[in-house]
Amino acid sequence: QKEVEQDPGPLSVPEGAIVSLNCTYSNSAFQYFMWYRQYSRKGPELLMYTYSSGNKEDGRFTAQVDKSSKYISLFIRDSQPSDSATYLCAMSLPTGNQFYFGTGTSLTVIP
Amino acid sequence: DADVTQTPRNRITKTGKRIMLECSQTKGHDRMYWYRQDPGLGLRLIYYSFDVKDINKGEISDGYSVSRQAQAKFSLSLESAIPNQTALYFCATSDFGQGDYGYTFGSGTRLTVV
Repeated sequence: QKEVEQDPGPLSVPEGAIVSLNCTYSNSAFQYFMWYRQYSRKGPELLMYTYSSGNKEDGRFTAQVDKSSKYISLFIRDSQPSDSATYLCAMSLPTGNQFYFGTGTSLTVIP
Repeated sequence: DADVTQTPRNRITKTGKRIMLECSQTKGHDRMYWYRQDPGLGLRLIYYSFDVKDINKGEISDGYSVSRQAQAKFSLSLESAIPNQTALYFCATSDFGQGDYGYTFGSGTRLTVV
């Protein structure tokens, strides 16, 4: 079983839709949870990080962590064509020595 | 200038050749990483280093070696390239110990082994 599972999609939504991206994980010791966005031919860039359980909001983006279910989510409100990218979840043990990545979900927002 | 710079951006090499990918950073971070990205497999860790004298293997280190020449420089070598090492390679830095929890990635090196 992989440490982190992520549905690869692809996901296609109309502009303005609410997008939900999800990951599940197997290691209950993970404490740091992150979402990265990767545009084609670019390196991933950090969108948001969350420590332990709970929600975090940043503009149109909301990250949720449910440690009891080993499930994390990223919500994008009022999606824009510029949000079209691959979204990667990542998580780490408390030491932060390395991050374990999901395989990424490809998102296309159609104008 | 980019915070994390990788060279070359693209490289085609022949089976059996030695090749070096270079990474330099201006973030001042101690932690540096090499990942490879393959379709359907995501990002997999090759090697990581927490300072110049600290080198650690990741989950897929076989066939690779690294050198941490300075705090700002971390190179990845393929001693004898093989076709299944064709992938997108990323260098990343982190300052996790100082509260900067995310990685900063370079733009990647697309390597093709023929």
